[in-house]
Amino acid sequence: DAMVIQNPRYQVTQFGKPVTLSCSQTLNHNVMYWYQQKSSQAPKLLFHYYDKDFNNEADTPDNFQSRRPNTSFCFLDIRSPGLGDAAMYLCATSSYAGEEQFFGPGTRLTVL
Amino acid sequence: SQQGEEDPQALSIQEGENATMNCSYKTSINNLQWYRQNSGRGLVHLILIRSNEREKHSGRLRVTLDTSKKSSSLLITASRAADTASYFCATESNFGNEKLTFGTGTRLTIIP
Repeated sequence: DAMVIQNPRYQVTQFGKPVTLSCSQTLNHNVMYWYQQKSSQAPKLLFHYYDKDFNNEADTPDNFQSRRPNTSFCFLDIRSPGLGDAAMYLCATSSYAGEEQFFGPGTRLTVL
Repeated sequence: SQQGEEDPQALSIQEGENATMNCSYKTSINNLQWYRQNSGRGLVHLILIRSNEREKHSGRLRVTLDTSKKSSSLLITASRAADTASYFCATESNFGNEKLTFGTGTRLTIIP
């Protein structure tokens, strides 16, 4: 089945130790999104790619970076995680921007 | 912020009853979408309604949209225990910024 896959599902890192989260999709969608979701809150968009065109949200900290080496894969790099970065990180795709989004299961990040 | 507000924040009903949740937003939109999120999982798209539509149905779901009031409602009929989840509305503004803005969510609990 076509889907959005996130690895790992659970990630534990130490304060200040870089971490990379990955997302892959078999839907061949043009747009890929990264969201941060903290407990009992709405998903917050960090950035998105329309093909190779990168779009950063104005309030996304510089600590967060992203790479999209090809249509299928997208990575979220957190260069120096702080305690406040502990959250669920959701990857989503859509065929066209603004249309239905397909979400992966998320990566739960714990920062010790 | 153009984040939507959802009402109520939490709702508990008996199995078999109908559940209604509401979403209000601030800017003109191209479409409004509803998503479901089971605890600790990714979001699942339920329904999309465009700005020129007033009502849409999908199975036990009924969505209405009132663009003059900048509001939408989601009705789930004949609720089941499996409907227990958080429900989020999300809007695509007509500014062409290629992204969705999620509401604060309603936590629905179905009591067997």
